[in-house]
This record gives sequence, structure tokens and C-alpha cells, in this order.
Amino acid sequence: GNSVTQMEGPVTLSEEAFLTINCTYTATGYPSLFWYVQYPGEGLQLLLKATKADDKGSNKGFEATYRKETTSFHLEKGSVQVSDSAVYFCALSVGWVQGAQKLVFGQGTRLTINP
Amino acid sequence: DTGVSQDPRHKITKRGQNVTFRCDPISEHNRLYWYRQTLGQGPEFLTYFQNEAQLEKSRLLSDRFSAERPKGSFSTLEIQRTEQGDSAMYLCASSPGTLGDEQFFGPGTRLTVL
Repeated sequence: GNSVTQMEGPVTLSEEAFLTINCTYTATGYPSLFWYVQYPGEGLQLLLKATKADDKGSNKGFEATYRKETTSFHLEKGSVQVSDSAVYFCALSVGWVQGAQKLVFGQGTRLTINP
Repeated sequence: DTGVSQDPRHKITKRGQNVTFRCDPISEHNRLYWYRQTLGQGPEFLTYFQNEAQLEKSRLLSDRFSAERPKGSFSTLEIQRTEQGDSAMYLCASSPGTLGDEQFFGPGTRLTVL
């Protein structure tokens, strides 16, 4: 079946630190991969995506590269800010480009950035 | 457009009662999804609609759950004879329905079953 495993949280960093949140997946077929973010009191928002192997998704200073050989999609940011404090979810969808779009999520990683 | 809205935002009910949640998608979005999120977990897919047609249901959706999307606009999710295990955040998302498009999520309805 399809599943996503994320690094367990919570993660606490100081402002301007380097961030990595690990994500690995298991999928039948060729999934599209996503990172969603949930800020306090708000709904889930798409942060970035990648639809095929070796694609790099990027947004707001965050990056993730679709690694088929290691079935991974780790989220990175070079210098985090207090405003990045949120819960981050890795997700996949098999058949997303074709329109199926059902998302399978990891359990989420809570990130707290201290000033 | 103000995005996907859900009502109510919070619902507390007693075990055995029926509850109904509403989701208003972004205008012109053809697809509408329901997910359930329990504490400390990621959202789990429940069901989705293409216009008014319900195209897929997860096995998580027991016989006590029913979802509708009359006229392809808003959607309702009803839970009959609620159980404590139904306590969760119920999320709605919508998308335009074009290939490879993005799902936009609402703020969710938090259900607590006492």
C-alpha cells in the first residue's frame, strides 16, 4: 500500500538554524510528493510539490528533492525564522497528475523556532 | 473568494447523537474531499466528489457516515450514532478538478464525543 513516514517531532531550533525534516515513502506506482504546512489556527496549505524523480520543489526558502532511489522527500531550509513555527506534513498521491488526487499524509512534525 | 469554509468549527456531542457538518468549497471548484485527522496524526482520506458524484469512499467511512454534495456545490458529512472514537478534526478540501491541481483546505470542524 501507500504510506508516508516522517521524522518524529517536536523539533525545536533557534532562529537562523538549518532545518531538515525527513520524509520517506512507500508507494505502488509513481507518486507525486508534497509538503503541507499548518500554521496555528489555520488550515493546511500546500508548501511545495514534486511530480517526478529528481524534481526539486521550492517555496518560501524551503526545498525538497524527489529521490526515487532512496524513496525520500526531505524538507530543508537554510535559515529558519520564528514565523516558520508550524506543523509540517509530508504527503503523496499516486495518480495525482492524471487527476486522482487522493492524498496520503505522514503523521506531521511540529516545528518550533525560538528567537 | 474567501477560501474553503466549514461549519461549525467546533461540535461537542454526546455518544449516540447524530451530527452534521457542512463544507462550502471555493466557487467553481469541481472536486471536494473529506479527510479526518486525529490528534498527533496526519489527515486520512474519507471520500471525494466530482461535482455531485461521490467517486470514492475509504473503508474508514463506516455505515454510520454519509456524505452528500447536492447540486455539486456545498457538501455535508453526517455521522449517525456517534461514538467516542469519532472524536477528531474533520477537514474539507476542494480543487478545480484540472489535472495536477492543488487541494485547498478549510479550517476543519473539531468533533468531541463525550
